[in-house]
Amino acid sequence: EAQLLESGGDSVRPGKSLRLSCAASGFTFSIYAMAWVRQAPGKGLEWVSAISPSGDGDKRYYPDSVKGRFTISRDDSKNTLYLQMNGLRAEDTAEYYCARKVYHKFDLWGRGTMVTVSS
Amino acid sequence: QSALTQPASVSGSPGQSITISCTGTSGDVGGYNYVSWYQQFPGKAPKLVIYDVNNRPSGVSNRFSGSKSGNTASLTISGLQADDEADYYCSSKTTGSTIYVFGTGTTVTAL
Repeated sequence: EAQLLESGGDSVRPGKSLRLSCAASGFTFSIYAMAWVRQAPGKGLEWVSAISPSGDGDKRYYPDSVKGRFTISRDDSKNTLYLQMNGLRAEDTAEYYCARKVYHKFDLWGRGTMVTVSS
Repeated sequence: QSALTQPASVSGSPGQSITISCTGTSGDVGGYNYVSWYQQFPGKAPKLVIYDVNNRPSGVSNRFSGSKSGNTASLTISGLQADDEADYYCSSKTTGSTIYVFGTGTTVTAL
């Protein structure tokens, strides 16, 4: 069964850094594009980043809200997706979901990992 | 990039049909046939129920259907059941650096 399992969420001070991980299993991770989507407490979903399969040039995409602060990456040898988050702000507080991206849909989601940014 | 607009809540009696709207612009919903819908239960991860406007993933009930007209997409749940009570989000590809935009979310209640 295909699964995604996020980890690395924590409570940090503003300005600090955090790296999230997403372990994939049950499917051929290397051939899929992947993404991160977040959800602030009581709020809606927000796309955070996406990365193409390594064979497609490892293209990376970000919305303006995180561009320059967040970096998405992947290690196909470990079947793992990462999100490096620097310069964290209070508005980055959210549940962070890892998702498999197939064309323009997110067809498999992890359970999420919580990031809290507070002084 | 603004979120797509959805009604905050929609309700219906069990067995009835309900429709959730998702309004965007020509730069997202109106410009692409890449609208998806996600179902989310409290404390759980989202689940894809419709993709590319009107396609159902394997395993999703045929009571869920999607459509689009101009800048507005719609999700219809026919034969509403208590198990359908959840939050529903639309999503669309969009122009510009924000490649994907989600809707504001709709809470569905079976009365």
